[in-house]
Amino acid sequence: GENVEQHPSTLSVQEGDSAVIKCTYSDSASNYFPWYKQELGKRPQLIIDIRSNVGEKKDQRIAVTLNKTAKHFSLHITETQPEDSAVYFCAAISNSGAGSYQLTFGKGTKLSVIP
Amino acid sequence: DTGVSQDPRHKITKRGQNVTFRCDPISEHNRLYWYRQTLGQGPEFLTYFQNEAQLEKSRLLSDRFSAERPKGSFSTLEIQRTEQGDSAMYLCASILTSSDEQFFGPGTRLTVL
Repeated sequence: GENVEQHPSTLSVQEGDSAVIKCTYSDSASNYFPWYKQELGKRPQLIIDIRSNVGEKKDQRIAVTLNKTAKHFSLHITETQPEDSAVYFCAAISNSGAGSYQLTFGKGTKLSVIP
Repeated sequence: DTGVSQDPRHKITKRGQNVTFRCDPISEHNRLYWYRQTLGQGPEFLTYFQNEAQLEKSRLLSDRFSAERPKGSFSTLEIQRTEQGDSAMYLCASILTSSDEQFFGPGTRLTVL
C-alpha cells in the first residue's frame, strides 16, 4: 500500500517568513495529492491540491510542487501570518484495487508562526 | 449547515461498553469514508462506502468494529467491547464520485476509561 512520509514534524517561523513542508510517497500510481490544515480540535480542511499531470500550483500565498520522478511534493507558504499556525497534513490518494481511492496521510507538521 | 456532520462530538465510555457514532454526509455525495486519528498522527483509513455498499475495510478495523450505510445516506460506526486503545478521533468524510476532494466532518472524540 501507499506510504507517505512528512517532514519536519514541527516548524517555527517568524511572521512574514516562508515555510516549506516536504512529503514523499511510495506508490507511483498515486495521482492526487491534497494538503489539509487542521486547527486544534477542528476538522481537517483542504487548502490546496495537485494532480500528477501538473508540476506546480499556486493559490495566493500557498503553492504546491510535485516531482513525480522523485515521488515527492512540497507545500510552500509565503508571508506567513499568525493565523497560519496549525497542523498541516499532506496526503496521497491511491486505488487499493477495491476502488476506494483512500487517502494516506503523512504524520503532520505543526507550524508555529511567531508574531 | 450543508457540510458533513457527526454525532456525538464527544463520547466518554467505560472499557467493555459498546458505542455507536453517526455521520451525515453532504447530501449529493455518494462516497463515504471513516478515518481514525490519534494524537499527533494523521487520519488513518478505516472503511469506505459507495452508496450503501461497504467496498473496503482496513486491516485496522478489527471484528469489534462494524459500519453501515443502510440507505446510502447517513452512516454509523459501532465499536463493541471498547478498549482503551480505541480512544481516538473518528472522522467521517464524503465525496462525489466525479471528484477527488474529501470533505471532512468535525469528528467524534472517543475516550475509553
